[in-house]
Order: sequence, then structure tokens, then C-alpha cells
Amino acid sequence: DAGVTQSPTHLIKTRGQQVTLRCSPKSGHDTVSWYQQALGQGPQFIFQYYEEEERQRGNFPDRFSGHQFPNYSSELNVNALLLGDSALYLCASSSDRGLEQYFGPGTRLTVT
Amino acid sequence: DAKTTQPNSMESNEEEPVHLPCNHSTISGTDYIHWYRQLPSQGPEYVIHGLTSNVNNRMASLAIAEDRKSSTLILHRATLRDAAVYYCILGKTSYDKVIFGPGTSLSVIP
Repeated sequence: DAGVTQSPTHLIKTRGQQVTLRCSPKSGHDTVSWYQQALGQGPQFIFQYYEEEERQRGNFPDRFSGHQFPNYSSELNVNALLLGDSALYLCASSSDRGLEQYFGPGTRLTVT
Repeated sequence: DAKTTQPNSMESNEEEPVHLPCNHSTISGTDYIHWYRQLPSQGPEYVIHGLTSNVNNRMASLAIAEDRKSSTLILHRATLRDAAVYYCILGKTSYDKVIFGPGTSLSVIP
């Protein structure tokens, strides 16, 4: 079992551009959550997808959007990038009946 | 969202037990207590969770106070690999949004 995988590992974008990050959940998991982690801080919840719909959302602007596919994989899209969007973006998967979340290694996004 | 309070940092000697405290005085009756840890340059890793009774697994033990207003994560024998930020989190199910605080940064001294 490969666990949760994320791509790409690192990404550099320019202010104003758009970015798409990808996540494949752990085998058997149907729920995907996305988090943003700024340097030196704990992860901040962005949103969660289940059955291809956004089920919960944190305090993030509409520039952050996502999608879940029928195979449970997910994408995080960020439009109109700001310097403050530079962070580690983490994906976590879980089973709808499970209590623990399994995190991927993250995508390091740098906005210049 | 119910909040947790943890010390910012702790130190332990290698091969000694470590007790990481967490206060959660506003916990509700249906909140589980979860612990995650994050090693440097990695995503968070699930450690353990419990509701009312003490719990043990291969990684750690979780001791929950009788009134559930506090809990302690116990690493029985700290190794250098246990140096990480430890997060104590409350949640009802896996689909609860997981609210991370700043956590406790654990240093292990050889």
C-alpha cells in the first residue's frame, strides 16, 4: 500500500497565477481533506471532500477550490496566487467510518 | 470548536519515558481525543486516539483523566526518532475538520 501520495513535491509560481495540486488517498479511503501549513505553524484545515462533494470548509477564501473524482483522488486549485499562499499543502485521507486521518508528504508551494 | 492547550516545548533524554500533557476543559461527551505527530519535513502521522478509557498501541499509550478534561500521551522509551511536534486534537469522527493548534515540540537528547 503506497499510502497517501501527493504531486508535485515542490512548485514555484508567480503572483497572480493559478496552481493545481493532486492527491491520491490511501487504498480503501473515500474521504480527502486538504490543509495549509505555513512555516512554523500547525496545519490549517482548508476543506474536505466526500462522495465528490465538499462536505466541510475552513476559513479560506473562494480562491481555494477543490474537486474529488470517482476514484476518490482529489485536486486542490488556488487562483490568483498571493505571496501569502506560500506554504506546505497537505492532503489527508480517511475512511468515512474511521477516526484517524493519514497524511501525505505534502506539496511545497512557493509564490514569488 | 473545543480547544486544547499544550506546552510549547518539552525535552526528554533518550530511552526515558515521556509524558506529553494536553488540557481540554471544554471537551464534549462525544469528542474523541486524537494525537498526531509531525516529524521534520514530513506530513503529520496518526499516533493514537481514545474516548474514555486509557488506550495502548505499538507507538504509545494514552491516559485520559476521569473527568476527560485532560489527557497524557506516553512514549514509553523515547528514541531520537520521536523528536517531533506532537498535536493533541479533539474530534467526533474522521469527517470532523481537524483543528491543529501549535502543538508541543519534543526534543530528545542523546
